[in-house]
Amino acid sequence: AQSVTQLDSQVPVFEEAPVELRCNYSSSVSVYLFWYVQYPNQGLQLLLKYLSGSTLVKGINGFEAEFNKSQTSFHLRKPSVHISDTAEYFCAVSRTGGYNKLIFGAGTRLAVHP
Amino acid sequence: GAVVSQHPSRVICKSGTSVKIECRSLDFQATTMFWYRQFPKQSLMLMATSNEGSKATYEQGVEKDKFLINHASLTLSTLTVTSAHPEDSSFYICSATPRATGELFFGEGSRLTVL
Repeated sequence: AQSVTQLDSQVPVFEEAPVELRCNYSSSVSVYLFWYVQYPNQGLQLLLKYLSGSTLVKGINGFEAEFNKSQTSFHLRKPSVHISDTAEYFCAVSRTGGYNKLIFGAGTRLAVHP
Repeated sequence: GAVVSQHPSRVICKSGTSVKIECRSLDFQATTMFWYRQFPKQSLMLMATSNEGSKATYEQGVEKDKFLINHASLTLSTLTVTSAHPEDSSFYICSATPRATGELFFGEGSRLTVL
């Protein structure tokens, strides 16, 4: 079975500052890794995903994440945040071979202040 | 990108009644759809996997007789909350995967409030 731990429930940051949202996973098999963003009362939007290949993955809205197999981590980063980045961010994992049954972390609330 | 639509986006019902939520893939055929439940300020919990033309597979602890899932076509899955109670109030989100790529796309979510 797979599990995901998001180490910070809330991350406050000032506008234009860099941010890192941490995600660690546990799995006995190979996995795919995802980051999703959720705005209030909305569904989820895919920010980026790691399937294979380069461990540095670039996504939408200037976000990127790095897959570290030895540390079983997939931290999300952005060099300069905007007020509009305020949202809930979810890290998720699924077994390789399909996108089935995503397992989500508890989420990290990113609050960007002016 | 691919679009998944849920309807209704919000529904309020009385305790004891049944509510149906629809999930449609608008521009692709979805062999598999997933239903998630999200409590306030919490993560998404997978409820069930819906496969077109066959019975849904429920996660442990999810009452299949309470949460009826039907995936009658390649573009539509429905979740019916039967005999709803206030504790069923939640945000329900579906996701769908196209036949070819398997990438998941999420609906906008449906907020159910049971009075």
